[in-house]
Amino acid sequence: EAGVTQFPSHSVIEKGQTVTLRCDPISGHDNLYWYRRVMGKEIKFLLHFVKESKQDESGMPNNRFLAERTGGTYSTLKVQPAELEDSGVYFCASSPGTGSYNEQFFGPGTRLTVL
Amino acid sequence: AQSVAQPEDQVNVAEGNPLTVKCTYSVSGNPYLFWYVQYPNRGLQFLLKYITGDNLVKGSYGFEAEFNKSQTSFHLKKPSALVSDSALYFCAVRDSASGGSYIPTFGRGTSLIVHP
Repeated sequence: EAGVTQFPSHSVIEKGQTVTLRCDPISGHDNLYWYRRVMGKEIKFLLHFVKESKQDESGMPNNRFLAERTGGTYSTLKVQPAELEDSGVYFCASSPGTGSYNEQFFGPGTRLTVL
Repeated sequence: AQSVAQPEDQVNVAEGNPLTVKCTYSVSGNPYLFWYVQYPNRGLQFLLKYITGDNLVKGSYGFEAEFNKSQTSFHLKKPSALVSDSALYFCAVRDSASGGSYIPTFGRGTSLIVHP
């Protein structure tokens, strides 16, 4: 069974540019999550999709971040325009449900560097 | 509110020695506790979890963790460390209380370095 995949693995952009990150969850997982880890800090929750609907987007930093999950399969996270503080590793995770016995399966992350 | 503390940024241990990576938590209700590991250039991998039952939880790669309610701790342990255990370890907590968030809160991570 394929795991969660993310693309690209690394992205280096200049301040003011746009970047789009992609996440493909495990097939059949309705729940998809985005997290971010800034260097040396905690892994912070960004948002949660159930199928194509945003269940919780309380962690999104500001309106420069836009997440979509059209069709309830893969998801994209767009940062426009990027700022220096957006640098970090963006993780995607998926799970079949949200109950206590449903741990989240994480992808390898996308390392974003904004110069 | 729920929170996790990993008091050590880095843990150094010699191969073959026992290792402990510390984690303490705070939740309103009962905790669901998790340990994840991140190897270089890899995603977070699930190691083990505590939901209910025995306080000693066994997980992947020979790791185990002990839930201590009175000390609000969930330390990760392994009897004999391997060089290949060198990685970044994250503790996470969810609150089981009604209305509690199903989104886990993660710690800052602890870098484990096992020396040959």
